[in-house]
Amino acid sequence: GPKVLQIPSHQIIDMGQMVTLNCDPVSNHLYFYWYKQILGQQMEFLVNFYNGKVMEKSKLFKDQFSVERPDGSYFTLKIQPTALEDSAVYFCASSPSGDEQYFGPGTRLTVL
Amino acid sequence: QQQVRQSPQSLTVWEGGTTVLTCSYEDSTFNYFPWYQQFPGEGPALLISILSVSDKKEDGRFTTFFNKREKKLSLHIIDSQPGDSATYFCAASRNYNQGKLIFGQGTKLSIKP
Repeated sequence: GPKVLQIPSHQIIDMGQMVTLNCDPVSNHLYFYWYKQILGQQMEFLVNFYNGKVMEKSKLFKDQFSVERPDGSYFTLKIQPTALEDSAVYFCASSPSGDEQYFGPGTRLTVL
Repeated sequence: QQQVRQSPQSLTVWEGGTTVLTCSYEDSTFNYFPWYQQFPGEGPALLISILSVSDKKEDGRFTTFFNKREKKLSLHIIDSQPGDSATYFCAASRNYNQGKLIFGQGTKLSIKP
């Protein structure tokens, strides 16, 4: 099926630092999503993005979080500054027309 | 409050048997229900999905059933194979187009040869 790539697969940073998680969505997809999964828990929606704008965000999408996709390149999730509770696996997903969502392999973020 | 509940948490089935996974949900406005399969170290892969206007959808060995009145859905895997061993997530959305997915906690399935 369609492949979504995520870079890096694992990131370790110190609390308070900035981190950018990168997602390379399927080329003709128009809708983009970030989800967060803490170990042992279910995946939770963070944000979705279409036509250069955030469509909807959850309460987990704190003020320190931002997303963008400049010039059709990577769809990024930036956290600045990071906190210990941001440690999780972050999954990116993309969708051609807002229906079926295709997920990447995730980036494991460890905040020390 | 858990909006989408999944059971069982883990399940072992003999090869060739039928696997049944179930989900229940609270919100009657949910109208789209995908099932995802996830192998260790990989992202969830869309397996099969159903809209609330249907009660059954089949794709090869995988069938999903939807009961709107009881707010329940299930995934049946016939002739289960060791390669089906994975974690399965059900999810729900209020808006088939664009909407966020609300996931269950997953069922870890092990198929024993």
